[in-house]
Amino acid sequence: EAGVAQSPRYKIIEKRQSVAFWCNPISGHATLYWYQQILGQGPKLLIQFQNNGVVDDSQLPKDRFSAERLKGVDSTLKIQPAKLEDSAVYLCASSLYTQGETQYFGPGTRLLVL
Amino acid sequence: SQQGEEDPQALSIQEGENATMNCSYKTSINNLQWYRQNSGRGLVHLILIRSNEREKHSGRLRVTLDTSKKSSSLLITASRAADTASYFCATDAIQGAQKLVFGQGTRLTINP
Repeated sequence: EAGVAQSPRYKIIEKRQSVAFWCNPISGHATLYWYQQILGQGPKLLIQFQNNGVVDDSQLPKDRFSAERLKGVDSTLKIQPAKLEDSAVYLCASSLYTQGETQYFGPGTRLLVL
Repeated sequence: SQQGEEDPQALSIQEGENATMNCSYKTSINNLQWYRQNSGRGLVHLILIRSNEREKHSGRLRVTLDTSKKSSSLLITASRAADTASYFCATDAIQGAQKLVFGQGTRLTINP
């Protein structure tokens, strides 16, 4: 069984630029999550999709972050414009149904904003 | 706000010794999960313990849950160099936002 795929693995941009991350969850998983993990901290949920609908985006900075999950499969997370404090690892995860189950994580995208 | 908090923040032991990490949380939960994260990698699920369970085993891992104290512990027996990683607990609260909330993690180093 293929795992959660993410790209790119690394990205360096300057502040005020835009960036996009892509995630392909495990086949058949209904729920997809985007987390932000700042160095030395645990992952923080940014947005959770159930199929192609948003379940929770309470911690997503909506003035600069956006995400979509078209057709309930792949997802993209965009930051525009980026700030220095957005430097972090962005993790995508998926689970079969709900948030209370085991989540399967991708390798993450490490973003550095200069 | 942080639901789970791990203790200690960092732990360094000799290979072959046992490692114990603790997690405390604030609100009632449906379940608690432990994840491992190797440097530069994504998180890997280790074990899930439900609120009506007190202890669970998986290989060299033993997890306990005390809902009266709102705490959990992860014991790794006979540690190996490959166990070097960060370990996170994550809680699924009964009320409030329906999402997993991760703690800050314990950084475990196994010295050969």
